[in-house]
Amino acid sequence: DGGITQSPKYLFRKEGQNVTLSCEQNLNHDAMYWYRQDPGQGLRLIYYSQIVNDFQKGDIAEGYSVSREKKESFPLTVTSAQKNPTAFYLCASSIRLDTEAFFGQGTRLTVV
Amino acid sequence: GIQVEQSPPDLILQEGANSTLRCNFSDSVNNLQWFHQNPWGQLINLFYIPSGTKQNGRLSATTVATERYSLLYISSSQTTDSGVYFCAVRDSNYQLIWGAGTKLIIKP
Repeated sequence: DGGITQSPKYLFRKEGQNVTLSCEQNLNHDAMYWYRQDPGQGLRLIYYSQIVNDFQKGDIAEGYSVSREKKESFPLTVTSAQKNPTAFYLCASSIRLDTEAFFGQGTRLTVV
Repeated sequence: GIQVEQSPPDLILQEGANSTLRCNFSDSVNNLQWFHQNPWGQLINLFYIPSGTKQNGRLSATTVATERYSLLYISSSQTTDSGVYFCAVRDSNYQLIWGAGTKLIIKP
């Protein structure tokens, strides 16, 4: 089936540790995105990528890093520099930046 | 930047009722999407509707780009319609700008 797969679904991290969230798509989309959602809030853009080997900071990039070495994959690393990492993280993709965006099922990250 | 406002913020209805959700945006946009976020957090695409009217079963949407608003209609509500409905628009830099959502609760 075509779609966007995020893993894991739930993730627990100790304070001070880096953690990487996976996002894979088989839709042949050029653009990919990472969003953060806090309880009862809307989505905020962390990073986005228009094409392989290129990515841009979004509104809340501090404490996060990404890579785009393959078209299908856009992993997000939550570093120890992120002060409040507990949140719901959503990955999305679209054919281009100006087309319809589709989302994965999300990863719930909890810092313990 | 573009501001996106959704109304109402909360809506509680009995099963079978109809509802209208509104999305206002402050400037010209390249496109507009409606999403339903279910209780498990998944965002489901409802409509990709930069302008005009679309229908999908009990749901329909209308965007009047010149007047900067979009409406989502839900008819004959079911409990599975519960969740949060988001409107998102693409600005001139093609970034998705999100409204705060409308939380819909359908009571049996």
